[in-house]
Amino acid sequence: DTGVSQNPRHKITKRGQNVTFRCDPISEHNRLYWYRQTLGQGPEFLTYFQNEAQLEKSRLLSDRFSAERPKGSFSTLEIQRTEQGDSAMYLCASSLMGLMNTEAFFGQGTRLTVV
Amino acid sequence: KQEVTQIPAALSVPEGENLVLNCSFTDSAIYNLQWFRQDPGKGLTSLLLIQSSQREQTSGRLNASLDKSSGRSTLYIAASQPGDSATYLCAVLRGSARQLTFGSGTQLTVLP
Repeated sequence: DTGVSQNPRHKITKRGQNVTFRCDPISEHNRLYWYRQTLGQGPEFLTYFQNEAQLEKSRLLSDRFSAERPKGSFSTLEIQRTEQGDSAMYLCASSLMGLMNTEAFFGQGTRLTVV
Repeated sequence: KQEVTQIPAALSVPEGENLVLNCSFTDSAIYNLQWFRQDPGKGLTSLLLIQSSQREQTSGRLNASLDKSSGRSTLYIAASQPGDSATYLCAVLRGSARQLTFGSGTQLTVLP
């Protein structure tokens, strides 16, 4: 499978616990994005990497959230001290930077439920 | 700030009908527009990408158009099938931004 891969697919955690999600982008893609989607809404941008550099962060990304992309390959998104409001689908996407911005491909997402 | 609106929010049609989904955006300075399909509880599948210099793209029974000046895009689905039932999302990439801005989607149900 050469698409964007996300793990785990589902995560149930107790409030206050830390969780970490992983995203493996399409191998030649140098751009990687994290989005969050709640029920009935479109995805909202969280953060963006170009290679290993985190170039942009949304105001939605509070200080409890941290994302990394070591060596410009896979990425992790960690949420510390989870709250019930963090329950959502977390989506990762990748694309290839070119002369014109190119098509973004999404993974299957990680569904987080905070109880 | 870019805002993307999709109308209608939900649509139910009988099998075989041709249909149009609408997407409007407030800032016409876009690089491209993408249409996605999302099945319940799943990720997004890219359907069509229209660059800002293009007016339409076609893939099978799908045709997407783009009118930058009026801030509108439409997704035309011909001869709809029950398997087309899903939520359809449009997203724009602004020239000044690096991320996609999404609409809330149109939930399509095609009745057998």
